[in-house]
Amino acid sequence: GENVEQHPSTLSVQEGDSAVIKCTYSDSASNYFPWYKQELGKRPQLIIDIRSNVGEKKDQRIAVTLNKTAKHFSLHITETQPEDSAVYFCAASDVNRDDKIIFGKGTRLHILP
Amino acid sequence: DGGITQSPKYLFRKEGQNVTLSCEQNLNHDAMYWYRQDPGQGLRLIYYSQIVNDFQKGDIAEGYSVSREKKESFPLTVTSAQKNPTAFYLCASSNPGTGDTQYFGPGTRLTVL
Repeated sequence: GENVEQHPSTLSVQEGDSAVIKCTYSDSASNYFPWYKQELGKRPQLIIDIRSNVGEKKDQRIAVTLNKTAKHFSLHITETQPEDSAVYFCAASDVNRDDKIIFGKGTRLHILP
Repeated sequence: DGGITQSPKYLFRKEGQNVTLSCEQNLNHDAMYWYRQDPGQGLRLIYYSQIVNDFQKGDIAEGYSVSREKKESFPLTVTSAQKNPTAFYLCASSNPGTGDTQYFGPGTRLTVL
């Protein structure tokens, strides 16, 4: 089955700097890669996703890149702000097979003033 | 992510008691999921259902049971057989095959006294 590894587990960046979170997956059939942001005590919220037919997607300060050959995808947050502090989860699934989403263990992002 | 509700928000249970967590959605989604989240951990799949009257075990189904009698509802029972039930429980739903992501409910925090 699919296995998703996420690094780092904790990340602290100065406000205004960029943050990068990296994930790898094991199942080459995976074709959908969502990223979720979870604030303390709240539900995970989808912030961006990418499908296997594109290599990069951007939405304002957030971008995701996908390298299918390496089975590697990353989240990039630029010009970080205090409200970016949260736990971020990457995930992978094969939407043609079923909708089971396999999550990484999460990255706790701290934005330092 | 509106349209998925979980109740109650907080739940306290004595050891040896069964307890049922509610999850309802009005998004007309075919698939529903239950995840468990422990502090500092990722999301682990307990059970999922892709269609009414059918459900499958996830990675950590022992000590839990579910039913899917209606499309809108997917209650989770935490039985006395679950040795360490204190956790944050998240319900999610999706439409399989559409390539859309899962949407999460607000969660139920279960504490065993």
